[in-house]
Amino acid sequence: AQSVSQHNHHVILSEAASLELGCNYSYGGTVNLFWYVQYPGQHLQLLLKYFSGDPLVKGIKGFEAEFIKSKFSFNLRKPSVQWSDTAEYFCAVNAGNYGQNFVFGPGTRLSVLP
Amino acid sequence: EAQVTQNPRYLITVTGKKLTVTCSQNMNHEYMSWYRQDPGLGLRQIYYSMNVEVTDKGDVPEGYKVSRKEKRNFPLILESPSPNQTSLYFCASSFGVGQPQHFGDGTRLSIL
Repeated sequence: AQSVSQHNHHVILSEAASLELGCNYSYGGTVNLFWYVQYPGQHLQLLLKYFSGDPLVKGIKGFEAEFIKSKFSFNLRKPSVQWSDTAEYFCAVNAGNYGQNFVFGPGTRLSVLP
Repeated sequence: EAQVTQNPRYLITVTGKKLTVTCSQNMNHEYMSWYRQDPGLGLRQIYYSMNVEVTDKGDVPEGYKVSRKEKRNFPLILESPSPNQTSLYFCASSFGVGQPQHFGDGTRLSIL
């Protein structure tokens, strides 16, 4: 069965600091990878996705993620965070081709201090 | 406006009293799914549906039922709710399996 781990439970940064959130998955085949963000009191919104091609994908609000197949990783990055990035971030995996279910990581809470 | 609508948003009820949480999407999506969100566990998939009359279990289906009689609707049914089903529930839909999902605003259920 697929599983997704996110290394950090809670990350606290000051504004303008750089961000990297780790995500690792366990599945040996083709995967579709996603990062979602959940702002306080809101539903999940898609930040970015990887299906195939260039392993460095860019998403909304200046976020990007790099797929490293050999490490089964899909880390999320942002060069300079803002207070408005305070939210919970979820990595999700869907087994490619005929995979029908989604597996989410436990989430990483990001707090950005003004 | 493209959206996934869940009702109710909040519900407090008692053990054993059947309840249904409705989910409706207006994007003609084929794939729909239910998740529960619990602290420290992220989102766990309860059931999903590939299309009308096609449903399957996710990772945590025990105690839940679903149906997909129409493409736009995917209700979640708790026949005999128990306190361990107290959680935040999200419905989501997408054009197809593996595609980015659109999420509803969530339903907070408290089972006493």
